[in-house]
Amino acid sequence: RKEVEQDPGPFNVPEGATVAFNCTYSNSASQSFFWYRQDCRKEPKLLMSVYSSGNEDGRFTAQLNRASQYISLLIRDSKLSDSATYLCVVESGSARQLTFGSGTQLTVLP
Amino acid sequence: SAVISQKPSRDICQRGTSLTIQCQVDSQVTMMFWYRQQPGQSLTLIATANQGSEATYESGFVIDKFPISRPNLTFSTLTVSNMSPEDSSIYLCSVEKDNYNYGYTFGSGTRLTVV
Repeated sequence: RKEVEQDPGPFNVPEGATVAFNCTYSNSASQSFFWYRQDCRKEPKLLMSVYSSGNEDGRFTAQLNRASQYISLLIRDSKLSDSATYLCVVESGSARQLTFGSGTQLTVLP
Repeated sequence: SAVISQKPSRDICQRGTSLTIQCQVDSQVTMMFWYRQQPGQSLTLIATANQGSEATYESGFVIDKFPISRPNLTFSTLTVSNMSPEDSSIYLCSVEKDNYNYGYTFGSGTRLTVV
């Protein structure tokens, strides 16, 4: 089993749609969780951290369920500029190592 | 947040040669991380570099192949040694954003092609 598993995608959605990405992680001792966005041929950039209480940033909502070891990202009112690969990232261990999911590709269509 | 300058941005190298990638950070950071992203894949951690000590390598990566230097708190290098076409990847360095915010900043990456 992979340490961090994501929806394989790709997701092709029309502008204005709501899309949800899911991610599960295997290390119950993981301490921090993130969603990163990676555009084609660019480095990953932090989209948002994920907290147990859930957090929202504009059209983006992230949720963490520690009991189920599950992380989600919801994008409302999708824009063309949201097209990218979304990486679920889990931080674990005393060295605070990051483990990346394989990424979910999103294409928002006009 | 820390700003990372990574170079070279890309290179095409002959097999059997070595390439050294540099990352310069605009602030002092305790840990720097080196990742590899193979074509169509996600990021895999190569090693963690602390200043003043040997880097810690992940399973599947060894110091002879990927020697790392960390001479001070703002700079690190990763060398890809005795390259083969299988080493063709994007290599990225990363640091924590800062002590109070979570998340990590990445360098812009080095796109390596070995021919």
